Amino acid sequence: EVQLVESGGGLVQPGGSLRLSCAASGFTFSSYWMHWVRQAPGKGLVWVSRINSDGSSTSYADSVKGRFTISRDNAKNTLYLQMNSLRAEDTAVYYCARRDGYKAGDYWGQGTLVTVSS
Amino acid sequence: DIVMTQTPLSSPVTLGQPASISCRSSQSLVHSDGNTYLSWLQQRPGQPPRLLIYKISNRFSGVPDRFSGSGAGTDFTLKISRVEAEDVGVYYCMQATHPLYTFGQGTKLEIK
Repeated sequence: EVQLVESGGGLVQPGGSLRLSCAASGFTFSSYWMHWVRQAPGKGLVWVSRINSDGSSTSYADSVKGRFTISRDNAKNTLYLQMNSLRAEDTAVYYCARRDGYKAGDYWGQGTLVTVSS
Repeated sequence: DIVMTQTPLSSPVTLGQPASISCRSSQSLVHSDGNTYLSWLQQRPGQPPRLLIYKISNRFSGVPDRFSGSGAGTDFTLKISRVEAEDVGVYYCMQATHPLYTFGQGTKLEIK
């Protein structure tokens, strides 16, 4: 069974940093592109970042470029999102999601809440 | 960035009746490989999103056949042939053709 479990969320002050993790199981993690998507409270889905299967290629939404870094450790079956210079508008539930070839977002984690507030 | 525009934003539907959601992209979603990476996702209250349809019209594993997708180029539609109570939630279209993926604003499906 495919499972994605996010962790690392919490309360952080503006300007602070946080690292999110997404532990994958039930599939060959190193074969899949992975994504981070966020959802502010009561709002819609917003794509944040993606990484290819071996970690050599990444993309970011303009709103996080230069502040967030996506990475992965295929030996640990784990996806990461390093978030620096956090702002109030980064407050959201952060989901990790898998892409299986043609099927973007075929599996999603339950999400982890990040709150940026003083 | 590609802008995805969904209509309507809210859709009250009677149980057993059909529902339809439209999604329009600001640019063609035809990839250089010839495929169109337009997906539909469902998000039930308090749940993460769930993939329903990929590549315009392909139902994901376990998705009931009352859900169907159609369209081409920049205009796409999700149809539910007979709405059931479990279909309540927010539906999103998502493009994965261009490097910076984007979602529609979401359409809230509710029962009248």
